[in-house]
Amino acid sequence: AQTVTQSQPEMSVQEAETVTLSCTYDTSESDYYLFWYKQPPSRQMILVIRQEAYKQQNATENRFSVNFQKAAKSFSLKISDSQLGDAAMYFCAYRSSLTQGGSEKLVFGKGTKLTVNP
Amino acid sequence: EPEVTQTPSHQVTQMGQEVILRCVPISNHLYFYWYRQILGQKVEFLVSFYNNEISEKSEIFDDQFSVERPDGSNFTLKIRSTKLEDSAMYFCASSATSGRDTQYFGPGTRLTVL
Repeated sequence: AQTVTQSQPEMSVQEAETVTLSCTYDTSESDYYLFWYKQPPSRQMILVIRQEAYKQQNATENRFSVNFQKAAKSFSLKISDSQLGDAAMYFCAYRSSLTQGGSEKLVFGKGTKLTVNP
Repeated sequence: EPEVTQTPSHQVTQMGQEVILRCVPISNHLYFYWYRQILGQKVEFLVSFYNNEISEKSEIFDDQFSVERPDGSNFTLKIRSTKLEDSAMYFCASSATSGRDTQYFGPGTRLTVL
């Protein structure tokens, strides 16, 4: 079974600075998807970024980028120019590729609570 | 932008009572999911649903739980006889297709069983 580990329960960053949230995962599959979701205090879980394992290029969405290291099974999220609105719980998640007969469920880490200081 | 909605936002019930949690997925989505998060623990998959059938369920999803799409817009999770350990945040999610598509989540329903 796949597992996702987020080793940082809490992180803080100064506004306008850069922060990196860590995520590692364990799988025997070769094709899969990785996600970062953001859950602000309002509770709606919002997709931040996704990465397909078959793509070598790291995904980027505006100020958010990932460092995907497939061999190391690492998937960290970098937030540049942090803003107060980035304060939230961040979840890393894994999903199998159905082309390999995998599960469609998301497997989540425990989350990292990010605080942005003004 | 279309969103998944859930009602109620908070439900308090007595142990042994039945509860129904409601979700309205994004309108053109075909795949529906329920997850739960017990306080301080990971978000856990409960069940996925497609074409009016359960396509996958976890060990948590025992006979106490059922899901239904009673009409073209709602997707419900029923817990027949609630237990204290059912207290959690329940999230509904939907995706346009299975496979590559992203799952979009609702804001959750906090269920408190007394």
